[in-house]
Amino acid sequence: GIQVEQSPPDLILQEGANSTLRCNFSDSVNNLQWFHQNPWGQLINLFYIPSGTKQNGRLSATTVATERYSLLYISSSQTTDSGVYFCAVRTGANNLFFGTGTRLTVIP
Amino acid sequence: NAGVTQTPKFRVLKTGQSMTLLCAQDMNHEYMYWYRQDPGMGLRLIHYSVGEGTTAKGEVPDGYNVSRLKKQNFLLGLESAAPSQTSVYFCASSYSLNPGAISYEQYFGPGTRLTVT
Repeated sequence: GIQVEQSPPDLILQEGANSTLRCNFSDSVNNLQWFHQNPWGQLINLFYIPSGTKQNGRLSATTVATERYSLLYISSSQTTDSGVYFCAVRTGANNLFFGTGTRLTVIP
Repeated sequence: NAGVTQTPKFRVLKTGQSMTLLCAQDMNHEYMYWYRQDPGMGLRLIHYSVGEGTTAKGEVPDGYNVSRLKKQNFLLGLESAAPSQTSVYFCASSYSLNPGAISYEQYFGPGTRLTVT
């Protein structure tokens, strides 16, 4: 099956700092989603981004499908941004394949 | 609009017991999914459904059965629970045919934490 690799695996930031999370995938994909799993385990949809760039407040994402990667940018990080960020890709008709995530800790 | 809901939120089973997890969605989505998440890992697909009365196997289907008798509900069954099935189970749904809302974006429920002793 498709391989989805995320980097870095762990990231510690001072509040107010910026960061870039990367997602590489090994095959062509139909779609790509970014999720934030908060400390209570809830999965929150951040972006549905098969290609191009989207922005939502302090977060933005870019997917370059032809080069098989996506980037998630977090600016002016806050403690509430802490948690695990997952990239997930869809290849065939239905299921998502998840990466192993980037664990972000924002310290005040 | 509750989105995707899951029942129960927590459950403890003894080895060999059976149980059913219920997922419900009110977004009129055609597709529904069951995933499991083990510690330190991403989610893996167990089974999915592309419509009422249909089901298909995902990446890790062994030891589980599913049913989709109504479009809004997707049930996950464990016939004889094993400690290896201790995990957090997430349900998701996607793909609305409503005009202007056609999308494959998946929306997830809050999860069910299952422990098998």
